[in-house]
Amino acid sequence: GAVVSQHPSRVICKSGTSVKIECRSLDFQATTMFWYRQFPKQSLMLMATSNEGSKATYEQGVEKDKFLINHASLTLSTLTVTSAHPEDSSFYICSASTGGHYNEQFFGPGTRLTVL
Amino acid sequence: EDQVTQSPEALRLQEGESSSLNCSYTVSGLRGLFWYRQDPGKGPEFLFTLYSAGEEKEKERLKATLTKKESFLHITAPKPEDSATCLCAVSTPTDSWGKLQFGAGTQVVVTP
Repeated sequence: GAVVSQHPSRVICKSGTSVKIECRSLDFQATTMFWYRQFPKQSLMLMATSNEGSKATYEQGVEKDKFLINHASLTLSTLTVTSAHPEDSSFYICSASTGGHYNEQFFGPGTRLTVL
Repeated sequence: EDQVTQSPEALRLQEGESSSLNCSYTVSGLRGLFWYRQDPGKGPEFLFTLYSAGEEKEKERLKATLTKKESFLHITAPKPEDSATCLCAVSTPTDSWGKLQFGAGTQVVVTP
């Protein structure tokens, strides 16, 4: 149980284009999903908290107009990187929370974004 | 300010050589402490959640323990497939959504 998928696993795009990444909880409903960014040999950096049916909460320093998050259902959240530039190249990982007392987070496999 | 510190940064073990990783935390209140393992190019894989001091959990060659100030991840008789970065994270009551604060990780390498 507690499986989270991400799509695509890898994407290469040209500078100036927008890229959408999907995150799905496959076997449980996730009221809350999280989006992280990870640079090589570094730990995870939280970008935003996404709650179903409401606006995402962004961490300090993360541009909300650059990284659009939509959490339209209890099993799907999307991250759109708008007008991507080479500095946006990174490993993006989502997680989904089981909620309740234990509130455990389960992570997707990640998406490698390369902007040329 | 809440802090999560993992040590050592890197750990190199011979196959079968048991060892421990440390995660010390300074938080205003602990809701849960989480251990994950991460392989290169993949998302973190959930290992354990600990909620109260004195709690212990085991899974195969791994055992996690928790005190009021720190957690240990014990690796018993490791195999090369146990090589990974081990991540510790905490959640606190101050965030109602269960946001996690991660340590920097310990890179574990097990050689045959």
